[in-house]
Amino acid sequence: GQQLNQSPQSMFIQEGEDVSMNCTSSSIFNTWLWYKQDPGEGPVLLIALYKAGELTSNGRLTAQFGITRKDSFLNISASIPSDVGIYFCAGAYSGAGSYQLTFGKGTKLSVIP
Amino acid sequence: GAVVSQHPSRVICKSGTSVKIECRSLDFQATTMFWYRQFPKKSLMLMATSNEGSKATYEQGVEKDKFLINHASLTLSTLTVTSAHPEDSSFYICSATAEADTQYFGPGTRLTVL
Repeated sequence: GQQLNQSPQSMFIQEGEDVSMNCTSSSIFNTWLWYKQDPGEGPVLLIALYKAGELTSNGRLTAQFGITRKDSFLNISASIPSDVGIYFCAGAYSGAGSYQLTFGKGTKLSVIP
Repeated sequence: GAVVSQHPSRVICKSGTSVKIECRSLDFQATTMFWYRQFPKKSLMLMATSNEGSKATYEQGVEKDKFLINHASLTLSTLTVTSAHPEDSSFYICSATAEADTQYFGPGTRLTVL
């Protein structure tokens, strides 16, 4: 099956710093999705990317769909304490009547005030 | 938009009992919903794909007789954990597809089986 490599696994940063995380795959995806999950909650969609090369922003968040369709990155600028949580990338592939969403293992972000 | 709710958010039950978890799409119709299970500090594990009006498709290793899924309408899917045991204790999350491969997740249900 498809596998996603998400890195880094965890990171500790100072408040105000920028953050970057990425996901790579051995297979192509039609869609890349980035989610944030707080403890005891379901994942919340941050950014959805639908086209190779697409660069999309949502406030302080910016994500890009890699041109090869096998990778994506998420940047968070000027981090704040509420950015703390686990960030998951997910790649979606649909075709020939099937649909599959594959998750990365997550990046745990800690922000030091 | 694209809000998914789950009920209950937490449930504690005795071993051997059955528990039903509801997943609703509040502001859109979802022909397909998904059920995930998440272990502590782990990523989400897909259990099954629930299609409105038809049988669910279960992932390998997931017992369909233990985890009963019903998708009776375009806005409601239910997961029933039958004869629950302590090893079924977990965080169960549903999701629904609103458009173009994008899944929106519910807030999750914490199941504790005593």
